[in-house]
Amino acid sequence: DAKTTQPTSMDCAEGRAANLPCNHSTISGNEYVYWYRQIHSQGPQYIIHGLKNNETNEMASLIITEDRKSSTLILPHATLRDTAVYYCIVRVRYGGSQGNLIFGKGTKLSVKP
Amino acid sequence: ETGVTQSPTHLIKTRGQQVTLRCSSQSGHNTVSWYQQALGQGPQFIFQYYREEENGRGNFPPRFSGLQFPNYSSELNVNALELDDSALYLCASSLPRLGNDNEQFFGPGTRLTVL
Repeated sequence: DAKTTQPTSMDCAEGRAANLPCNHSTISGNEYVYWYRQIHSQGPQYIIHGLKNNETNEMASLIITEDRKSSTLILPHATLRDTAVYYCIVRVRYGGSQGNLIFGKGTKLSVKP
Repeated sequence: ETGVTQSPTHLIKTRGQQVTLRCSSQSGHNTVSWYQQALGQGPQFIFQYYREEENGRGNFPPRFSGLQFPNYSSELNVNALELDDSALYLCASSLPRLGNDNEQFFGPGTRLTVL
């Protein structure tokens, strides 16, 4: 699986958009970009994923560059409850033993009042 | 629909002992993955079970073993506990769709402390 690079930490004002970047310059054509987050003392929570098109769901938007070497997770109106560690993960489409998640250290997002 | 549950919530053991952690997968999910998360680190993949068979393993020694039962619940067993085994152990369930991607649903974890 390709590796990802994320900033260690970011701050965001409550109510503003939080834009979390991720570099994955060695991503392969069959690898998806997944985002998870982990609120303190809880298990990780799936947010969104994409292959090459931009995606949006009720939680967030995912913007993937045309060359697929980087992506940005957007939380449109951050709240204090969005304070968490955000993990960007690239992984192959389900393929038996390769279907596991490889977590880095993620980005610690702090939403401030 | 119930989510992923894990037991116990917390556990304290001493070096050399053995421990069994349990996980009930989300309803309908036939795949369970186990992760170890040391303090300040991201979760590290231990192994995955699909339909009662081990389906992939991370870089963990054989003293980490597992089982999956016909109802898709799972156990993680760790023998000869070491101090470095102190961590949050996370279970995640999923329903892989062949040829497609899937997301994993995590339980709250079991906090293991080895003294």
